[in-house]
Amino acid sequence: KNEVEQSPQNLTAQEGEFITINCSYSVGISALHWLQQHPGGGIVSLFMLSSGKKKHGRLIATINIQEKHSSLHITASHPRDSAVYICAIGGSQGNLIFGKGTKLSVKP
Amino acid sequence: SAVISQKPSRDICQRGTSLTIQCQVDSQVTMMFWYRQQPGQSLTLIATANQGSEATYESGFVIDKFPISRPNLTFSTLTVSNMSPEDSSIYLCSVERGGAQYFGPGTRLLVL
Repeated sequence: KNEVEQSPQNLTAQEGEFITINCSYSVGISALHWLQQHPGGGIVSLFMLSSGKKKHGRLIATINIQEKHSSLHITASHPRDSAVYICAIGGSQGNLIFGKGTKLSVKP
Repeated sequence: SAVISQKPSRDICQRGTSLTIQCQVDSQVTMMFWYRQQPGQSLTLIATANQGSEATYESGFVIDKFPISRPNLTFSTLTVSNMSPEDSSIYLCSVERGGAQYFGPGTRLLVL
């Protein structure tokens, strides 16, 4: 069983829609990360969360430590938001353990 | 923050050859991480590279296949040896700083 599970795997939305991506994990963590990977392969860190909620522009990330669950929300989605969104938790050596990612496509 | 560069950005290689990927960080870091992302898959940790000691490899990865150097606190190399088509992947280096993770742009490798 994967330690990090994401849903959905693929998501297609119309421009302007509100988007939610979910992440569940099975082990205790100190922090959870949301990352964005564009088609060229580069990865950008969006959020690092240990509790509660964080907001950056149109992106909101929440985490419930007791339920071992996190969500990433995108408000007023735009075609430039099209990317793979990856949930990851901290490993024992400072590395990350990654979910399989959610491929988001936002249509104009 | 940390700015990471990788070379080469992409390469096409013949089966049986080796490729060395370089990773340069703009400031000193203790640990550097090497990940592999096979087509359609998520990232998998290959090894953790500490300066002054041998790299620590994850299950399924061995030093003979993926030798790593870490000559100083800002630089590391990963060699993919005796390549086969199954090694076609994106290889990324990463560092951790202040709890946040920073990634290089990746090296896209295609083995024919």
